Amino acid sequence: DAKTTQPNSMESNEEEPVHLPCNHSTISGTDYIHWYRQLPSQGPEYVIHGLTSNVNNRMASLAIAEDRKSSTLILHRATLRDAAVYYCIGSGGSNYKLTFGKGTLLTVNP
Amino acid sequence: EAQVTQNPRYLITVTGKKLTVTCSQNMNHEYMSWYRQDPGLGLRQIYYSMNVEVTDKGDVPEGYKVSRKEKRNFPLILESPSPNQTSLYFCASSSFTPGRANSPLHFGNGTRLTVT
Repeated sequence: DAKTTQPNSMESNEEEPVHLPCNHSTISGTDYIHWYRQLPSQGPEYVIHGLTSNVNNRMASLAIAEDRKSSTLILHRATLRDAAVYYCIGSGGSNYKLTFGKGTLLTVNP
Repeated sequence: EAQVTQNPRYLITVTGKKLTVTCSQNMNHEYMSWYRQDPGLGLRQIYYSMNVEVTDKGDVPEGYKVSRKEKRNFPLILESPSPNQTSLYFCASSSFTPGRANSPLHFGNGTRLTVT
């Protein structure tokens, strides 16, 4: 599996943008980069995914480096409901085993 | 409503007493998987299944069994539970292989297991 590296925690203020980084230097060329988040007392939920190009959806944007060794999840205006653990997933090697890692705990201050 | 359903939500048992945690999905997904979540260790994959009658080990399979006799169901079996299996368990499913294809995972709400 591709190893991903994320900061343990980040902090943001409400209404401000948040950039959550992830390094995935061993990801293979055809594997998607997925981001999930886990709200307190819930199962993880899908946020966004991408392959090579930057991606936008109603929840967030995903900026993927040209060499695909890193990506950044962008929350354009953080809200208190965005406080969660965010997981970046790379699935190099076996495509069936998904390694979530420990994720980044995002704290949003009012 | 498309969902992954796990039962029970909470379970307290004693060492050695066999138990089964059920998981069912109504999205006709091929891929299903079990994870456990422990403080400081994140989510770790126990077993996964690519389709009916096809299963394989994840990162922490010791002490667990699974079966996939029907597409919608993927039960997790603990033949002889031990206290180190006290954890929060999540079942997940996706259309097909979640890492390579355009196929996000859908998670259940979790089962909190305590083994005394």
